[in-house]
Amino acid sequence: DTAVSQTPKYLVTQMGNDKSIKCEQNLGHDTMYWYKQDSKKFLKIMFSYNNKELIINETVPNRFSPKSPDKAHLNLHINSLELGDSAVYFCASSQVRGRNTGELFFGEGSRLTVL
Amino acid sequence: LAKTTQPISMDSYEGQEVNITCSHNNIATNDYITWYQQFPSQGPRFIIQGYKTKVTNEVASLFIPADRKSSTLSLPRVSLSDTAVYYCLVGSKAAGNKLTFGGGTRVLVKP
Repeated sequence: DTAVSQTPKYLVTQMGNDKSIKCEQNLGHDTMYWYKQDSKKFLKIMFSYNNKELIINETVPNRFSPKSPDKAHLNLHINSLELGDSAVYFCASSQVRGRNTGELFFGEGSRLTVL
Repeated sequence: LAKTTQPISMDSYEGQEVNITCSHNNIATNDYITWYQQFPSQGPRFIIQGYKTKVTNEVASLFIPADRKSSTLSLPRVSLSDTAVYYCLVGSKAAGNKLTFGGGTRVLVKP
């Protein structure tokens, strides 16, 4: 039983293509996130959704469009892929309690390579 | 947003205690301090979280001084399998759930 699952795990594609990464959590959490981890291992938040509503959009290019059909799913669509988009993308979820965002549960990551 | 600063790397030996200190000088009143562990090719995994003083669980302890401008993760009696990158994270719902990771500390446990 995987708590936070992402697909695909690996994605190799050409510049200019459009691709999507899917994420699902079965923890009943109300908040989901997308993080990008670059080659230097820095983890940068990209988006956060709470109950299907976007609450964080962290200066990410318009080519990146998250979609949350329900609170258990947060998908990431990327248009016109560029070389600099190559990274590992992590989906995470948490349950906000009061002022505490709660423990983040991460997926295994999706390694995107743009050629 | 509270920025965090950690040592880039630390070496230790099996059976020793490892202490990693994270600086977060501009931590906000509502911010919690959370530590995560990440193995290669895996997502980060929650270790421990605290707000003030000391927190202990089955894997680690977290020490937070009164001014909360830093925190120290303590890993007792490390083993080879504790070799990983450890991230300090500061944030709260008041900050819009904007949980920002620092650069992480790469801990290498040697036999």
